[in-house]
Amino acid sequence: NAGVTQTPKFRILKIGQSMTLQCTQDMNHNYMYWYRQDPGMGLKLIYYSVGAGITDKGEVPNGYNVSRSTTEDFPLRLELAAPSQTSVYFCASSYPGVAFFGQGTRLTVV
Amino acid sequence: EDKVVQSPLSLVVHEGDTVTLNCSYEVTNFRSLLWYKQEKKAPTFLFMLTSSGIEKKSGRLSSILDKKELFSILNITATQTGDSAIYLCAVNFGNEKLTFGTGTRLTIIP
Repeated sequence: NAGVTQTPKFRILKIGQSMTLQCTQDMNHNYMYWYRQDPGMGLKLIYYSVGAGITDKGEVPNGYNVSRSTTEDFPLRLELAAPSQTSVYFCASSYPGVAFFGQGTRLTVV
Repeated sequence: EDKVVQSPLSLVVHEGDTVTLNCSYEVTNFRSLLWYKQEKKAPTFLFMLTSSGIEKKSGRLSSILDKKELFSILNITATQTGDSAIYLCAVNFGNEKLTFGTGTRLTIIP
């Protein structure tokens, strides 16, 4: 019963590098989300998707890109990493209604 | 703009005390309000409150929704050290995107 799986769990990037955070869910949920959580803060929505082929910006999309080619996968791409992107990233999926979260990716940009 | 505000930001109590956490929201199109508990990693779902379900209870935890005054409270009675966590409130404003508050950090002293 995997639920929402994120990889990697931890990553250190140098300024200007690129990377993709992977997210996959096995619950056949239509809705998927990417949030970031900065220290002492709540979760801020980066991008979301209501189904395969459909994505939209959230509250803080700058510096990120997403794609949704299948129901299961929703990768998040950072093209030119900046120190401001140091954060914990959570992927989530929902039916709709309740969102279920992955275990998070702790990203540090130095 | 849809907004979710939680108070207090942090709370320290002794084991056995009762605590009340608050969540207020400014709404354009309310659908549901959710409470999550976040320990070391991913937020885990506690309750969802809607127009048709304004009161929920599970063991020592309970929550109510006041749709007229636009707030919710989460009560925890007979607190235990395992209740130490960040409690997040999120509101679905009818578009399946969850807007989160900043959370309340609860610390239970043995």
